[in-house]
Amino acid sequence: QAVVTQPSSLSVSPGASASLTCTLRSGINVDTYRIYWYQQKPGSPPQFLLRYKSDSDKQQGSGVPSRFSGSKDVSANAGILLISGLQSDDEADYYCMIWHSSAMVFGGGTKLTVL
Amino acid sequence: QVHLQQSGPGLVKPSQTLSLTCVISGDSVSTNSAAWNWIRQSPSRGLEWLGRTYYRSKWYNDYSTSVKGRLTINPDTSKNHVSLQLNSVTPEDTAIYYCVRETYYFDSWGQGTLVTVSS
Repeated sequence: QAVVTQPSSLSVSPGASASLTCTLRSGINVDTYRIYWYQQKPGSPPQFLLRYKSDSDKQQGSGVPSRFSGSKDVSANAGILLISGLQSDDEADYYCMIWHSSAMVFGGGTKLTVL
Repeated sequence: QVHLQQSGPGLVKPSQTLSLTCVISGDSVSTNSAAWNWIRQSPSRGLEWLGRTYYRSKWYNDYSTSVKGRLTINPDTSKNHVSLQLNSVTPEDTAIYYCVRETYYFDSWGQGTLVTVSS
């Protein structure tokens, strides 16, 4: 079982909100991890959006709008990237990442379609 | 503003060594406040962190277990660059390779180098 799992795709209407999940493998407690989120558009490397551990331990990327936010669903053992007021420009691949067992581990990414 | 310029061959034969260089401008490879990573991306393996080097009074390296034993990341302070050498490559190593600066997160990426492993 992968350390970190993301849904492969998500389609959401413009103006709505999108909730992207990053589920940690059973036995790895999401509460103890910083979750990093990156956005990648075709032909470009990933760009840092934000990281979230708790409301008191979080960081927004430089220039990243506040409509991108992070949270956790402890009951689901998952990190969440919430994007509100979706715009066509938000269409991209989104990756989560954690530092686990002395290595950076990426999720497989979620392709977000805005339509 | 940091800039990472990657160079290296785009085609490597199976069993040979993949070598890439990342020239750093706007920062120092021996800074105490960053680490220099290599990350690759392929359709089959997604984004995969390979390893990093960093200086904190002495040099350190961390490597992914998936490539440990085959991968060497070296800093060169005279040229202000960081290099990657991956031995005994197979077609599974075909990917876009990125040099990435890490501060509190991965904040600067090289342009990426598509490396194909094929005879």
